[in-house]
Amino acid sequence: AQSVAQPEDQVNVAEGNPLTVKCTYSVSGNPYLFWYVQYPNRGLQFLLKYITGDNLVKGSYGFEAEFNKSQTSFHLKKPSALVSDSALYFCAVSPYSGNTPLVFGKGTRLSVIA
Amino acid sequence: DTGVSQDPRHKITKRGQNVTFRCDPISEHNRLYWYRQTLGQGPEFLTYFQNEAQLEKSRLLSDRFSAERPKGSFSTLEIQRTEQGDSAMYLCASSLPTGRAYNEQFFGPGTRLTVL
Repeated sequence: AQSVAQPEDQVNVAEGNPLTVKCTYSVSGNPYLFWYVQYPNRGLQFLLKYITGDNLVKGSYGFEAEFNKSQTSFHLKKPSALVSDSALYFCAVSPYSGNTPLVFGKGTRLSVIA
Repeated sequence: DTGVSQDPRHKITKRGQNVTFRCDPISEHNRLYWYRQTLGQGPEFLTYFQNEAQLEKSRLLSDRFSAERPKGSFSTLEIQRTEQGDSAMYLCASSLPTGRAYNEQFFGPGTRLTVL
């Protein structure tokens, strides 16, 4: 069965410091990987995706993610965190090619402290 | 068209009552998805449509749940004989037609259901 693991419930980082939110996945076949962010009282917003190609994917708001096939990981990163980045982050995988339903991790709450 | 919309945003009901939620996808998005999110968890897939055809239903979707997309535009999700365990945020998402690479899903703000 396909699954996504986000091993940290909470990540705290000081403003201006680099941040990493971890994600590992398990799928049969080639993975299609996504990161979404959820702010309070708002829907999930798409940040970035990995389909194929370069292992380093750049997305919205200065975020990037690195796909590592051997470690089955897709960690979200940002070189310099902002207080406004504080939110709930979800990693997701599509177990099939094409536009099919996503399997989400349980989420990681990021708190950026001024 | 600014995005996926859902109505209502909040619904409080008594156990045993029926509820219906509506989702309006982004124009030209022919795929529409329903997910359910409970506190402390990520969204879980319920069902999805391509145009008016329901392509897949999760095992989470008991026979008390039914979803429709009659004209391939908006969709409704109905829960009959609600139970307290149905309390959750119900999310709708849509995506562009297949065949254009893998298109990300755009989510609505959700409908928060509370069953008393």
